[in-house]
Amino acid sequence: EAQVTQNPRYLITVTGKKLTVTCSQNMNHEYMSWYRQDPGLGLRQIYYSMNVEVTDKGDVPEGYKVSRKEKRNFPLILESPSPNQTSLYFCASSFFRRELDGELFFGEGSRLTVL
Amino acid sequence: EDQVTQSPEALRLQEGESSSLNCSYTVSGLRGLFWYRQDPGKGPEFLFTLYSAGEEKEKERLKATLTKKESFLHITAPKPEDSATYLCAVASSKGTYKYIFGTGTRLKVLA
Repeated sequence: EAQVTQNPRYLITVTGKKLTVTCSQNMNHEYMSWYRQDPGLGLRQIYYSMNVEVTDKGDVPEGYKVSRKEKRNFPLILESPSPNQTSLYFCASSFFRRELDGELFFGEGSRLTVL
Repeated sequence: EDQVTQSPEALRLQEGESSSLNCSYTVSGLRGLFWYRQDPGKGPEFLFTLYSAGEEKEKERLKATLTKKESFLHITAPKPEDSATYLCAVASSKGTYKYIFGTGTRLKVLA
């Protein structure tokens, strides 16, 4: 089954404790990206990657890091989480050519709470 | 600045009562306008892409249209299973691969 898998789905952590949210897709997509979704603000893009070893900032990259060492994986790293990073996070992927058509495939989301 | 505004924020319809959702946008060169559906606790699911003013796309009870300033998602004779949040997004043709999403319209269709 074609899917984008995120882990963990739910996480409660404390300020400053480094964490990683993993994202893996099995569709051989070149393009992957991370979003956060907050009430009243909608989906905002954090980082995206056009292919292996190619990443770029979205609109809200502060406090986050990403890496793309393999085509299927695109982990989101919070080096020192703060309460304002409490949010619902989505990973998405697409074929590069399809990316131009906006046909993003989203994961089920990871709800993060930072105390 | 690229921006997407959706209205209304929430909409309640009786089953069979047709209506439209609005997506107003400003973007420095439109590469595409996209509609997604999001169910509670799930990631968004792609519905349509529109590229230029005058274009229309249809899928079952949904029809998306595009002008130079806004897009409409028309829902004809909705059913309870159409209840969801509908998201609109735009992408600029100015050389980046960012998507700007609106905050969505929460649709509830009552049986």
